[in-house]
Amino acid sequence: AQSVTQLDSQVPVFEEAPVELRCNYSSSVSVYLFWYVQYPNQGLQLLLKYLSGSTLVKGINGFEAEFNKSQTSFHLRKPSVHISDTAEYFCAVSDESGQGNLIFGKGTKLSVKP
Amino acid sequence: EAQVTQNPRYLITVTGKKLTVTCSQNMNHEYMSWYRQDPGLGLRQIYYSMNVEVTDKGDVPEGYKVSRKEKRNFPLILESPSPNQTSLYFCASSSGTSGAPDTQYFGPGTRLTVL
Repeated sequence: AQSVTQLDSQVPVFEEAPVELRCNYSSSVSVYLFWYVQYPNQGLQLLLKYLSGSTLVKGINGFEAEFNKSQTSFHLRKPSVHISDTAEYFCAVSDESGQGNLIFGKGTKLSVKP
Repeated sequence: EAQVTQNPRYLITVTGKKLTVTCSQNMNHEYMSWYRQDPGLGLRQIYYSMNVEVTDKGDVPEGYKVSRKEKRNFPLILESPSPNQTSLYFCASSSGTSGAPDTQYFGPGTRLTVL
């Protein structure tokens, strides 16, 4: 069965520091990978996605992620974070049914401190 | 504006009192889904629908029902709510063409408390 593991439940970081949020997945088929962000008291919105092609994917708000097939990882990075990046981040992988379902990780809470 | 709307946003109810949470999207999406979000557990899928009159169970369907009579609406029904269904619920939709996963657009969430 497919699964997504977000290795850190909480990541505290100071403003303007770099950050990496880690995501590993398991799947026996080709995958599509997503990162979503949830700001306080809001729904989820897409940050970026990997469907095919270049393994380095750029998203909104200066975030990027790299698909590494050999390590089954899709880590999210930002070179310099802002207070406004404080949110919960979810990694997701397409399931094997081919019906468009996503399997979400348990989330990583990013807390940016001044 | 393209959006997914949910109503109500907040609901406090008592055990056993039937309730419906509505979900509507204005993007002509074929695929719709319901999730519940609980602390430390992430999002878990309850039910999904590939198109009108086509619904299927997700990972945690027990205690829930759905229907898809129109493309834009996908209500979630709790016929006899219990305290363990206290959660934050999200509806989502995507174009879902050819079965390939596409960006899912999420509603603002419904916070349900069952006493």
